[in-house]
Amino acid sequence: QKEVEQDPGPLSVPEGAIVSLNCTYSNSAFQYFMWYRQYSRKGPELLMYTYSSGNKEDGRFTAQVDKSSKYISLFIRDSQPSDSATYLCAMTTDQFYFGTGTSLTVIP
Amino acid sequence: GAVVSQHPSWVICKSGTSVKIECRSLDFQATTMFWYRQFPKQSLMLMATSNEGSKATYEQGVEKDKFLINHASLTLSTLTVTSAHPEDSSFYICSARTGNRNEQYFGPGTRLTVT
Repeated sequence: QKEVEQDPGPLSVPEGAIVSLNCTYSNSAFQYFMWYRQYSRKGPELLMYTYSSGNKEDGRFTAQVDKSSKYISLFIRDSQPSDSATYLCAMTTDQFYFGTGTSLTVIP
Repeated sequence: GAVVSQHPSWVICKSGTSVKIECRSLDFQATTMFWYRQFPKQSLMLMATSNEGSKATYEQGVEKDKFLINHASLTLSTLTVTSAHPEDSSFYICSARTGNRNEQYFGPGTRLTVT
């Protein structure tokens, strides 16, 4: 079983939709959780970082962590075409573990 | 936020030659840097972990004699692809860990094409 599981998609939504991206994990020792956005032919960009269960909001983005279910989510409100990218979840104790990434396309 | 740069952003080289890629943390000191490889539409594959002043730790299956890593200072790590072959063509991305060990910032990547 992989440490981190992420549905690769692809996911296609109309502009303005709410997007939900999810990852599950198996290691209960993970304490820190991150979401990265990667545009084509670019390095990943850190979007959100959280270390506790609950929600963290930053503009149109909300990161949610449920440690009891070993499940994390990233919600994007009012999605824009510029949000079209691959989104990677990551988590760490000391070593980093990445999901495979979910490809998102927001259609104008 | 923390900024990581890579140079060059893209390079084309002939088979059998060596290529060096630089990774720099611009506004912070990075005791640990990571090198990843990414094929089209695939996820990041960790190649090695580079600690300043010590030998790099390579992941299983990565040839350390082919992918030479040097982390000479707290702001610079280099990856040298020796005797490159077409199968080494890929997108190479470095990242650096900040003083907060749970944050990792990525460079923009280097696209290597070996002809």
